[in-house]
This record gives sequence, structure tokens and C-alpha cells, in this order.
Amino acid sequence: AQTVTQSQPEMSVQEAETVTLSCTYDTSENNYYLFWYKQPPSRQMILVIRQEAYKQQNATENRFSVNFQKAAKSFSLKISDSQLGDTAMYFCAFASRSYNTDKLIFGTGTRLQVFP
Amino acid sequence: DTAVSQTPKYLVTQMGNDKSIKCEQNLGHDTMYWYKQDSKKFLKIMFSYNNKELIINETVPNRFSPKSPDKAHLNLHINSLELGDSAVYFCASSQVSRRGHSTDTQYFGPGTRLTVL
Repeated sequence: AQTVTQSQPEMSVQEAETVTLSCTYDTSENNYYLFWYKQPPSRQMILVIRQEAYKQQNATENRFSVNFQKAAKSFSLKISDSQLGDTAMYFCAFASRSYNTDKLIFGTGTRLQVFP
Repeated sequence: DTAVSQTPKYLVTQMGNDKSIKCEQNLGHDTMYWYKQDSKKFLKIMFSYNNKELIINETVPNRFSPKSPDKAHLNLHINSLELGDSAVYFCASSQVSRRGHSTDTQYFGPGTRLTVL
């Protein structure tokens, strides 16, 4: 069974600085997707970034980028130029492309606080 | 325009009651899901439906019964509510090219906070 581990329950960063959130996963599959979702205090789940396992190039979305290490099963999220609005819970998630396993498996989340 | 909507956003009820949560998506997706987020913020899949057909049922008590009248709607009915059912329930949707093969991102509704007293 697949598992997703986020080893940092809480992180904090100064506004305008850079922070990296860690995520590791365990799977025997070769085709899958990885995601980072953000959940601000409003509780809405917002997609931050997505990576397809077959792509070697790391995904980037504006200030958000990932470091995807397939062999090490690591998928960290880097937030550059942190903003107060980045304060939220961040969840790493795995989705298999195998038959009949159409679901997201989430990590336990990292609470990020951005300070002025 | 709201992509995935849920009603109600808050639900407070007594133990033993029966309640329903509704979900609708206007994204044209063919797959919908229910997730449960517990008090420690852990999110776990409960059900998924593809074109009104149940695909995933993850060891959820029989008191929980999803119903999909069409591919744009997935409702969750809960019988005989218990204290442990208190949680935030999220609906999500995605486009799946063919049964069981996830090819796209899941988009979430705003969540329904259920409190059982």
C-alpha cells in the first residue's frame, strides 16, 4: 500500500524568505502523480502544484517549485518570496495511475506560518 | 462561478439523527469523491463514483451511503450519527479518461463541517 509522510508538523518563515516543505512517499508503482495542496484557515483545499512521475523536469508554478527525486521517493515543495497569504496547512498527496485506485493518499500535513 | 459546491457548509446535529450533505460540480467531470478530514486534519478517501457507478468504498461504516443521481452530483447520507462522525467532509471531482485510470487533478469543494452533539 502507498503511504505519504510529511515529517515536519510545523514550519515558520519570515516574509520574503524561502522555505522548503518535505514529503516522502512509498510505492512500488512506476506511474503516478504527486500533488501539493494548500488549506488556508478558510478550509478550502487549493491545488498548489502537480508532478507526473514520468516527467523528469521539476514542476514550477510562479513562486512554488518542487524537487522531485523519483529514486529517493522524495517530493519537496519550495516556496520562494514567502507572503503572508501563504500561511496555511500544506498537504502532500499521491495518486496512482493503476486500475481502480483512483484516490488521493494524503500526508499528515505541515502547518506553515509566515511572519511579517 | 463555483466549480465544486457543497451544502450545507456547517451542520450541527444530535447523536442518532440522519443527515445528508449535497455536492455538485459544474466542471463536466465524470468522477466524484468524498473525503473525510478528522480533528487532526488527516484527510482520507471514503468513496468515489465514476459516471454514477461506485468505484471506491474504503472501509466506511454502512451508516454512510453515497448516492449519485447523475455525474454532476454526489450526495452523502449518514444514518444514526455518532460522536465520531464529527469531521469536515470534502467533496471533490476530476476527469478520468476511462474507469479507474486517474488522469487529472482533483478539485475540492469548500467542505462541510459536521458536528455531532
